[in-house]
Amino acid sequence: QVQLQQAGPGLVKPSQTLSLTCAISGDSVSSNYAAWTWIRQSPSRGLEWLGRTYYRSRWYNEYAVSVRGRITVNPDTSENQFSLQLNSVTPEDTAVYFCARDFNGDTSPPLFDFWGQGTLVTVSS
Amino acid sequence: DIQMTQSPSSLSASVGDRVTITCRASQSITNYLNWYQHKPGKAPKLLIYAASSLQSGVPSRFSGSGSGTDFSLTISGLQPADFATYYCQQSYSVPLTFGGGTKVEIK
Repeated sequence: QVQLQQAGPGLVKPSQTLSLTCAISGDSVSSNYAAWTWIRQSPSRGLEWLGRTYYRSRWYNEYAVSVRGRITVNPDTSENQFSLQLNSVTPEDTAVYFCARDFNGDTSPPLFDFWGQGTLVTVSS
Repeated sequence: DIQMTQSPSSLSASVGDRVTITCRASQSITNYLNWYQHKPGKAPKLLIYAASSLQSGVPSRFSGSGSGTDFSLTISGLQPADFATYYCQQSYSVPLTFGGGTKVEIK
């Protein structure tokens, strides 16, 4: 059974950097069948896919246009986890942030089958 | 980007009712469509993948159908545990996108 455990602060000041980690158990961040993803939810934006990292002979990253230039999703193979950094945050970035496994097996299209517990991040001075 | 449009945005129903939620994609996504249930304070839960396949452990009262651009989620015999918000999501192309959600409330 895959488990994802999120960690990071719940309060970030405007213009600073939001940093979260997602520790993986029951799978590997280097899996050839998974993409490790960050998603957020807010009343104004609903569920919003932010970006992902995955390994297919080399590492790839893909990001949403809405946060491109401010976001970095990095794998950490030594700790079997991945991270989210979002720079220059504003109150618009206040949301519940989730990490998730995007599983792409051989028999079905991709899906988010395991999720972290969610972290409410408030951007406020 | 592929836009996902869900309707209705909310509905009121009684225990035992049959409920149908629809989701329309702005272009064909074949069967690359998933449905999630979300309750406050919890992580979303995968219900249906590939438009019509029931995720392991999900009750059989949940079913999905559709292909191309038009999809639906049906709950046959609504139970108290089913009052939640439901989202469709396309996994056809990046950026992956979700519908706006349908909140199912108790009548």
